[in-house]
Amino acid sequence: EAGVTQFPSHSVIEKGQTVTLRCDPISGHDNLYWYRRVMGKEIKFLLHFVKESKQDESGMPNNRFLAERTGGTYSTLKVQPAELEDSGVYFCASSQAGGRGGTPKNIQYFGAGTRLSVL
Amino acid sequence: AQSVSQHNHHVILSEAASLELGCNYSYGGTVNLFWYVQYPGQHLQLLLKYFSGDPLVKGIKGFEAEFIKSKFSFNLRKPSVQWSDTAEYFCAVNVGGSSNTGKLIFGQGTTLQVKP
Repeated sequence: EAGVTQFPSHSVIEKGQTVTLRCDPISGHDNLYWYRRVMGKEIKFLLHFVKESKQDESGMPNNRFLAERTGGTYSTLKVQPAELEDSGVYFCASSQAGGRGGTPKNIQYFGAGTRLSVL
Repeated sequence: AQSVSQHNHHVILSEAASLELGCNYSYGGTVNLFWYVQYPGQHLQLLLKYFSGDPLVKGIKGFEAEFIKSKFSFNLRKPSVQWSDTAEYFCAVNVGGSSNTGKLIFGQGTTLQVKP
């Protein structure tokens, strides 16, 4: 079974440009999460999809960030325009739908991350 | 707001030494607790988890963690580390019970370097 895959693995862009990150979750996983780690800091939650619906986007830094999950499959995270402070590693994770006691949705599988460098 | 604190940011040990990484969280309700590990060049992997039951949980590769509710702690231990344990370790929690969405709150991470 394929794991969570993220593209690209590394992106270097200039301030003001646009970048789109992609995440392919494990097939059949309803829950998809985006996280970000800025250098030297903790991994922080950005948002959560359940199928194609945004369940929680409380962690999105500002309106320069736009996430979509068309058809409840893969997700994209677009940063437009990128700023220097957007640099970091963006992680995607997926989990199954919540079962009895919510246990399955608590086991998240992570992708390798996309390292974004804004110059 | 919930937060997670990992006491050690960088730990250096010799092979066969014992390991204990501290993790404390701030939340008074039901929580689910996790330790993730990221080996060099690899993705985050689940090391172990606690949802309920026996507060001493065993994970992969000989790791274990103990949930002490009164101390809001979930420390990670291994009796004898190997060079291959060199990695970054993350403690994480999410809110349990009916409010659970799966959203994880992470600590800052602890880099473990094991010298051969």
